[in-house]
Amino acid sequence: KNEVEQSPQNLTAQEGEFITINCSYSVGISALHWLQQHPGGGIVSLFMLSSGKKKHGRLIATINIQEKHSSLHITASHPRDSAVYICVGAEYGNKLVFGAGTILRVKS
Amino acid sequence: DAGVIQSPRHEVTEMGQEVTLRCKPISGHNSLFWYRQTMMRGLELLIYFNNNVPIDDSGMPEDRFSAKMPNASFSTLKIQPSEPRDSAVYFCASSFPAGDVGEQFFGPGTRLTVL
Repeated sequence: KNEVEQSPQNLTAQEGEFITINCSYSVGISALHWLQQHPGGGIVSLFMLSSGKKKHGRLIATINIQEKHSSLHITASHPRDSAVYICVGAEYGNKLVFGAGTILRVKS
Repeated sequence: DAGVIQSPRHEVTEMGQEVTLRCKPISGHNSLFWYRQTMMRGLELLIYFNNNVPIDDSGMPEDRFSAKMPNASFSTLKIQPSEPRDSAVYFCASSFPAGDVGEQFFGPGTRLTVL
């Protein structure tokens, strides 16, 4: 069974801190998505990656294929980064396997 | 592009009634996904279509749920008869796969409450 595990489940940080959210996945996952869900409920796809590293503004996502591990980093965190971050493994053929999510709260 | 469009945004209905949720994917995308999100179970994939054809409906909870995609620009998710445990937020997403997997773009969701 393909699985995706995220850590931590909950994370509270002070504004400006560097944040890392981790995701481990099992075999059969061909790519990783990182999703962001704001308190209002909307879901935004942050990254999709199958190798290496991607950067968008203050967000960086990395993936290590050999270790089956991905990380999402937020530099210079801000209260507006407060959201649920979900790691999603994509099996071949587009079927998705969801992590449980990390609830991030950034305090000012 | 307006992004993925879902309607209605909110739906309140009584147990036993039929509910139809609608989704318009992003133009040019050829994959469409229906998800359900609840507090207890998080996000779950219900069904997805490639080129209007249902590929995997193993996430559809039971026969009361059905989904159709009559053309590339429209899909429906129907619940008949609805039950209180169907109360959730239903998301539609679309993608244009590059290789095996494509980045998915989510609609705003439909919040369904079944009384």
